[in-house]
Amino acid sequence: GENVEQHPSTLSVQEGDSAVIKCTYSDSASNYFPWYKQELGKRPQLIIDIRSNVGEKKDQRIAVTLNKTAKHFSLHITETQPEDSAVYFCAALGAYNTDKLIFGTGTRLQVFP
Amino acid sequence: GAVVSQHPSRVICKSGTSVKIECRSLDFQATTMFWYRQFPKQSLMLMATSNEGSKATYEQGVEKDKFLINHASLTLSTLTVTSAHPEDSSFYICSAPIAGAGANVLTFGAGSRLTVL
Repeated sequence: GENVEQHPSTLSVQEGDSAVIKCTYSDSASNYFPWYKQELGKRPQLIIDIRSNVGEKKDQRIAVTLNKTAKHFSLHITETQPEDSAVYFCAALGAYNTDKLIFGTGTRLQVFP
Repeated sequence: GAVVSQHPSRVICKSGTSVKIECRSLDFQATTMFWYRQFPKQSLMLMATSNEGSKATYEQGVEKDKFLINHASLTLSTLTVTSAHPEDSSFYICSAPIAGAGANVLTFGAGSRLTVL
């Protein structure tokens, strides 16, 4: 089955700096890669996603890149703000398990003012 | 937007008792719901897929007799933790695909924190 690895597990940045979180997946047939943000004690919220037919997607300060050959995808947050502090999870959906999202282990991002 | 309501948000129970957690899709129909378990500072681990009108599909290592799932209608799925023990203490979250949002875009419930004494 699909296996998703995520790095780093913790990330601290100064306000205004960029943050990058990386994930790799094992199933080459995977075709959907969402990113979720989870604040302490709250539900995960979808912040951006990308499908396998594109290499990059951007939404204001957030972007996601996908390298299908290398089977990895990354989340980029620019001009970070303290409210970006949260745990971020990547996930992957296999083409043959179209009803299951497999999550990475999470990255705790702290943005210091 | 698509909202999943999950109750209770917190529950404390004695060891050996059973606890039921409900998830309702408020403004859309969910033929499928996913149940995840999350230990502190860890990832979301898929426990089972709940299917309206048929049996739930459990992930490897998840005891179906311990974690009873019932998808009673197109808007309601329940997870019952039977004969709960302290090691079952965790954060349980349900999610459902948002119809029309693209394959498998999930919306999550607010989660239920279970503490077994």
